Amino acid sequence: GAVVSQHPSWVICKSGTSVKIECRSLDFQATTMFWYRQFPKQSLMLMATSNEGSKATYEQGVEKDKFLINHASLTLSTLTVTSAHPEDSSFYICSARSLGQGPYEQYFGPGTRLTVT
Amino acid sequence: GENVEQHPSTLSVQEGDSAVIKCTYSDSASNYFPWYKQELGKGPQLIIDIRSNVGEKKDQRIAVTLNKTAKHFSLHITETQPEDSAVYFCAASGPGGSYIPTFGRGTSLIVHP
Repeated sequence: GAVVSQHPSWVICKSGTSVKIECRSLDFQATTMFWYRQFPKQSLMLMATSNEGSKATYEQGVEKDKFLINHASLTLSTLTVTSAHPEDSSFYICSARSLGQGPYEQYFGPGTRLTVT
Repeated sequence: GENVEQHPSTLSVQEGDSAVIKCTYSDSASNYFPWYKQELGKGPQLIIDIRSNVGEKKDQRIAVTLNKTAKHFSLHITETQPEDSAVYFCAASGPGGSYIPTFGRGTSLIVHP
């Protein structure tokens, strides 16, 4: 149980275009989803937290107009990188937790490798 | 806010040896301490966790210890195997941070056959 999927697993896009990444909880209802960014050989950097049906809470320094997060249902959250630039190239990882499981366990997706050319 | 320090950044061991990774945290209200294993190109996978009401937890070759007084916790892997090679992250969370975990910087474990 507690499986989180991401789609796509990797994507290449041209500078100036937008890219949408999907995160799904497959066997539980995710009341909260998190989006992380990870650079090579570095730790996970939290970008934003989203609760189903509410606006996402962005971490300091993360541009909310550039990284659009939608958590429209209990099993799906999306991250849209708008007007992508090469510096947005990174590994994006989502995670999810269920209120029913308590505030502790957090399950990660497999990640999405974004390359902006 | 919470601050988590993790050491060492790189750990190289021979197959069959034990490996120990240590983390310290700053917020005494933190009460949940998970450990994640991340293989290259993949998302982190929860391998073991411990809550503040216990001092030790074991799962086959993996164990975690927690010292609340000193605010440090450790991951112990015994009889290491090449497939244990990965980056390991510790994290701490609690009510002070809305249970959003703060991660350590990671330890790259290399197990030589």
